[in-house]
Amino acid sequence: SAVISQKPSRDICQRGTSLTIQCQVDSQVTMMFWYRQQPGQSLTLIATANQGSEATYESGFVIDKFPISRPNLTFSTLTVSNMSPEDSSIYLCSFLSTGELFFGEGSRLTVL
Amino acid sequence: GDSVTQMEGPVTLSEEAFLTINCTYTATGYPSLFWYVQYPGEGLQLLLKATKADDKGSNKGFEATYRKETTSFHLEKGSVQVSDSAVYFCALNRNQGAQKLVFGQGTRLTINP
Repeated sequence: SAVISQKPSRDICQRGTSLTIQCQVDSQVTMMFWYRQQPGQSLTLIATANQGSEATYESGFVIDKFPISRPNLTFSTLTVSNMSPEDSSIYLCSFLSTGELFFGEGSRLTVL
Repeated sequence: GDSVTQMEGPVTLSEEAFLTINCTYTATGYPSLFWYVQYPGEGLQLLLKATKADDKGSNKGFEATYRKETTSFHLEKGSVQVSDSAVYFCALNRNQGAQKLVFGQGTRLTINP
């Protein structure tokens, strides 16, 4: 199966700054997804990213706050903009292959 | 809307104990049901799944049966090992082509030797 990697694995950020998380898959995949896992809570889907089109955001998430890029079939980025402490979470990318979702290890962000 | 409710954690057991982690769901239609596991320092991995009522998913000694009458998908293992220590997530997919998973809150399991 394909391997998926994310970076950074963790970071500590200052309020008001932005951070871009990168997700790399070692094979071409059509659909990629970004999830958020807030402390002590379940995973929540942020958006679906297909190559060549704008990302589709779930209710409660907007492009200005979480811009996503999908420049090719193996790569995607998620930016967390103008961060506040409430954005402290684990952010995970995933992709769909043969009907199964595979996840990266996640990027743990702490906003001070 | 769709939702998944899992047994509150954390759960601590001794090695070789019997494990049950409860999971119930609310969804329209006939969702597929999943258990994912997250070992320390690793990403989520699919543990097992069931796509229709009465199906039993199994893997690594874990089992879960899709019970439509009780809208449940409880995870069980007859004899746990220290290496089973992880966070377990129950999830559903409404099978409407979008492949969007709705997750439960996760249950942290610790197995003591």
